[in-house]
Amino acid sequence: QSALTQPPSASGSPGQSVTISCTGTSSDVGGYNYVSWYQQHPGKAPKLMIFEVSKRPSGVPDRFSGSKSGNSASLTVSGLQAEDEADYYCCSHAGNNNYVFGTGTKVTVL
Amino acid sequence: QVQLQESGPGLVKPSQTLSLTCTVSHASFTNAAYFWTWIRQHPGKGLEWIGHIYYSGRTYYNPSLMRRLTISVDTSNNQFSLSLTSVTAADTAMYFCTRGSGTVGPDFWGQGTLVTVPS
Repeated sequence: QSALTQPPSASGSPGQSVTISCTGTSSDVGGYNYVSWYQQHPGKAPKLMIFEVSKRPSGVPDRFSGSKSGNSASLTVSGLQAEDEADYYCCSHAGNNNYVFGTGTKVTVL
Repeated sequence: QVQLQESGPGLVKPSQTLSLTCTVSHASFTNAAYFWTWIRQHPGKGLEWIGHIYYSGRTYYNPSLMRRLTISVDTSNNQFSLSLTSVTAADTAMYFCTRGSGTVGPDFWGQGTLVTVPS
């Protein structure tokens, strides 16, 4: 199972928006509406930010939104804040109880 | 709030077996909707799915680790465990245990435990 492809880095100024892509295949991202996104600060465990493509767990700000088109999913962070600087990973169901992570994107708040 | 806590040795010698346990609290461990997962992260790298187990004992393993991997569950103590044999320096990583479900994937994570295998 190959990792999903994410850009290594993304950046934006405070208040701006940044969008991270997550590209897979029809066997994972394209085949299921089961894409999740995780935020990981240095030295911390990942935190679930989006599940089922676009749903937010309780407590996650609505500045975080997700979408999907074909074999690619996206995470958008609007109104960037300093605390949004972190690594972000996508994760997709890949059939037969398999799951695959993305390669990760480092978001920098300029 | 679901809580998970990894435990086990932080240093394992090459060729030996890496054994970790995850203790789950404030969760319905025997709910068939959930599975219990091990994920690792090599230093400075991305996340790698190791495998997962349902409380029934049904397991799913990463094919690249399958030959060396065993994940087991102890429902009486709300714990599940990881055993990885014949370790090398390439198994040095932060190991996380998580809860997951079919449509969400991992939702609650332990804090992680660093395991070092010296070269």
